[in-house]
Amino acid sequence: AQTVTQSQPEMSVQEAETVTLSCTYDTSESDYYLFWYKQPPSRQMILVIRQEAYKQQNATENRFSVNFQKAAKSFSLKISDSQLGDAAMYFCAYRRGNAGNMLTFGGGTRLMVKP
Amino acid sequence: EPEVTQTPSHQVTQMGQEVILRCVPISNHLYFYWYRQILGQKVEFLVSFYNNEISEKSEIFDDQFSVERPDGSNFTLKIRSTKLEDSAMYFCASREPAGFATEAEQFFGPGTRLTVL
Repeated sequence: AQTVTQSQPEMSVQEAETVTLSCTYDTSESDYYLFWYKQPPSRQMILVIRQEAYKQQNATENRFSVNFQKAAKSFSLKISDSQLGDAAMYFCAYRRGNAGNMLTFGGGTRLMVKP
Repeated sequence: EPEVTQTPSHQVTQMGQEVILRCVPISNHLYFYWYRQILGQKVEFLVSFYNNEISEKSEIFDDQFSVERPDGSNFTLKIRSTKLEDSAMYFCASREPAGFATEAEQFFGPGTRLTVL
């Protein structure tokens, strides 16, 4: 079974600084997707960024980028120029490549942004 | 922008009662999911649904749970006899058919907070 581990229950960053959230996963599959979801206090799940395992290039979305290390099964999220609105729970998630497959989530990292 | 909607936003029920949580997925999506999140814990998969049948379910999704797509727009989760431990946030999600540009992404609804007393 696939597992997703987020080893940092809480992280703190100063506004405008950069922070990296860690995620590791375990799978025997070769075709899969990885995601970072943001969950603000409203508890809505918002997709931040995704990475296809077959792509070597790291995904980027504006201030958000990932460091995907396939051999190490590591998928970290870097947030640059942190803003107060970035404060939230961040969940790393894994999905097998076949259509319709479920998401497996990590335990989450609570990010606090200090003004 | 199309979005997944869920009703009600908060449901309070007595232990042993039946509840139905409702979701309206994005209109051209064909894959549907239910997840739950007990307060302070990770999001857990319950069930996926495609072509009018369950395609995958977790250990959590026991005989007390059922899903249905009663018409062309709604997707429901029924809990027959609620227990205290069913108190959680329940998220519905939907996905486009395979082959579309964002086919890998599941779009989540805002969630229904279920409180069992």
